[in-house]
Amino acid sequence: GAVVSQHPSWVICKSGTSVKIECRSLDFQATTMFWYRQFPKQSLMLMATSNEGSKATYEQGVEKDKFLINHASLTLSTLTVTSAHPEDSSFYICSASWPGQGLVGPQHFGDGTRLSIL
Amino acid sequence: QQPVQSPQAVILREGEDAVINCSSSKALYSVHWYRQKHGEAPVFLMILLKGGEQKGHEKISASFNEKKQQSSLYLTASQLSYSGTYFCGTEGANDYKLSFGAGTTVTVRA
Repeated sequence: GAVVSQHPSWVICKSGTSVKIECRSLDFQATTMFWYRQFPKQSLMLMATSNEGSKATYEQGVEKDKFLINHASLTLSTLTVTSAHPEDSSFYICSASWPGQGLVGPQHFGDGTRLSIL
Repeated sequence: QQPVQSPQAVILREGEDAVINCSSSKALYSVHWYRQKHGEAPVFLMILLKGGEQKGHEKISASFNEKKQQSSLYLTASQLSYSGTYFCGTEGANDYKLSFGAGTTVTVRA
């Protein structure tokens, strides 16, 4: 099956640090990748849609300058949390898909990154 | 807009059945179902594209009523491995993204 790799798995860092999270599709080319944020026992909240070669589309309420997304190739998207603060602590998950079934296609999720800002 | 899932939680004994419902306030192009186990990423179960379509995965099946903007997930003869949180993800006609429900936590006990 399709495999999506996400790194790092967890990060603990001081307030004010910038953190980069990578999402790679290992055995398929992902035209679209999505970044989600999930709080404990809550749903997946879409942060942004990342399209290869173009600017990301951010959801309402998500700060573009704080959550920088780059989708430089069909297999790699990165999310950088700039100047992270404790309120940015969360579980961040990426997903990759290709069209064919539906407009978006089945989502293949990375293992997620637990971000803790001290 | 986020779809509404019900129930929030269900506890089953092995072999019992359960139904999870997902309803949307807008017209839908497709409905996805995913299962997430504690501490892990969600795993794709199935996608339903047409009104009235039904699909199956092991003994888990789903239906999609396009007119009612609803989908239901059926867990038949539940197994311990079915435990987890089930999310429906809905896609509108021009959305090109998914909106996820709040999730239904299923606990299957021996």
